[in-house]
Amino acid sequence: AQSVTQPDIHITVSEGASLELRCNYSYGATPYLFWYVQSPGQGLQLLLKYFSGDTLVQGIKGFEAEFKRSQSSFNLRKPSVHWSDAAEYFCAGGGSYIPTFGRGTSLIVHP
Amino acid sequence: DVKVTQSSRYLVKRTGEKVFLECVQDMDHENMFWYRQDPGLGLRLIYFSYDVKMKEKGDIPEGYSVSREKKERFSLILESASTNQTSMYLCASSRIPSGGSTGELFFGEGSRLTVL
Repeated sequence: AQSVTQPDIHITVSEGASLELRCNYSYGATPYLFWYVQSPGQGLQLLLKYFSGDTLVQGIKGFEAEFKRSQSSFNLRKPSVHWSDAAEYFCAGGGSYIPTFGRGTSLIVHP
Repeated sequence: DVKVTQSSRYLVKRTGEKVFLECVQDMDHENMFWYRQDPGLGLRLIYFSYDVKMKEKGDIPEGYSVSREKKERFSLILESASTNQTSMYLCASSRIPSGGSTGELFFGEGSRLTVL
């Protein structure tokens, strides 16, 4: 069975610092992988996606993620965090059109 | 802009009431989904549909039913609401992956249901 794990429930960073949110997947073949962001009281917005090709994927809002097959990881990164990035982040993926979601990582940004 | 619209952002219902949550997408997507979101539990799939009148159970279907009479509309029904169904409900749609499509989900803004 496919699974997606986000090991960190909360991450706190200072504004301007770099960010890395972790995501590990369990799936036999190359999965589809996504990162979504959810602002308070809102639905989920797609940040970026990977399904094949270049393992470094660029997304919206200055985010990027790198697919590492050897580590079964798809970590989300941003070089400099803005206060508006405070939100819940979900990693999702799988081999079918029904992605499995991680439990989410809440990002707190200190001024 | 693509859009998934959920009819109610906030609802308050009483135990035992029948509740309808409606979702409409304007992207001609084949797949539609209903998720429930609770703190610390992430998104859990209730039901999904891959075509009109077709439905499949997700991970937590108990206490829920769905209806898809038209391609653009997917309704979630709570036949007899209970307090443990107080939650945020998210509707989503996607295209079946093929060619350049990756099947990413497009979400509505959510419906927060409180059952008293």
